Amino acid sequence: SQKIEQNSEALNIQEGKTATLTCNYTNYSPAYLQWYRQDPGRGPVFLLLIRENEKEKRKERLKVTFDTTLKQSLFHITASQPADSATYLCALDGYSSASKIIFGSGTRLSIRP
Amino acid sequence: NAGVMQNPRHLVRRRGQEARLRCSPMKGHSHVYWYRQLPEEGLKFMVYLQKENIIDESGMPKERFSAEFPKEGPSILRIQQVVRGDSAAYFCASSLGTSGSSDTQYFGPGTRLTVL
Repeated sequence: SQKIEQNSEALNIQEGKTATLTCNYTNYSPAYLQWYRQDPGRGPVFLLLIRENEKEKRKERLKVTFDTTLKQSLFHITASQPADSATYLCALDGYSSASKIIFGSGTRLSIRP
Repeated sequence: NAGVMQNPRHLVRRRGQEARLRCSPMKGHSHVYWYRQLPEEGLKFMVYLQKENIIDESGMPKERFSAEFPKEGPSILRIQQVVRGDSAAYFCASSLGTSGSSDTQYFGPGTRLTVL
C-alpha cells in the first residue's frame, strides 16, 4: 500500500539557519506533491505544490525539491525564524479525479532564538 | 472572503450518542473533503463530496459514519452511536474543483470531538 514517511523526531534549529525536512514515499507514483503547515489546534495551511516534472520550487524563504527516482522530497526553510515553528505535513496526490490526498504524519519543527 | 468554516469547534458526546459536524466551504468552492486526525498522527482521508454527490468514500468506515453535501447548506459529517475511538479532530477542506488533480485544498479549523 502507499506509504509516506517524514522525520518522526522533532527538529530543533537555531534561528537563522536552514531547516531541512524530508518526505519519502513508497509504492506510489504521485503526479505532484504538496507541503502544508499546521499549527497546534488549527487546520493545515497549503504552502507549496511541486509537480513530478519539476525538480525544484521556490516561494520566498521556502524551497522544495522533488526526486521521483529517489521517491523523496526535501523542504527547506532558509533564514529560519521562531515564527516558522510548526508541524509540516507532506502530502501526495495522483492522477485520480477524486483528488484524494495522502498525508504524512508530519515533522514538528522548533526554531530557537 | 471567509475561509472554510466548521462548527462546532469542540463537541462532547457520550457513548451511543450522535455527532453532527458541519462544514461551510469557501465561497465558490463546490468540492468538500473530510479528514480525521488523531493526536500525533497525520490526516486520514475520509470522504470527498461534490454538491449532492459522494465521489469517494473509501476512507470512511462503512458503519455509523455518513456524509452529505446538499444543494443548499453546509456539508454534514454524521457519526451515529459514537464510541471512544471516534475521539479525534475532524477537518474539512474545500476546493474549486477545476480541471485536473492539482486543485489546492483549503482547510477549516477543525472540530474536536471528545467521546466520554
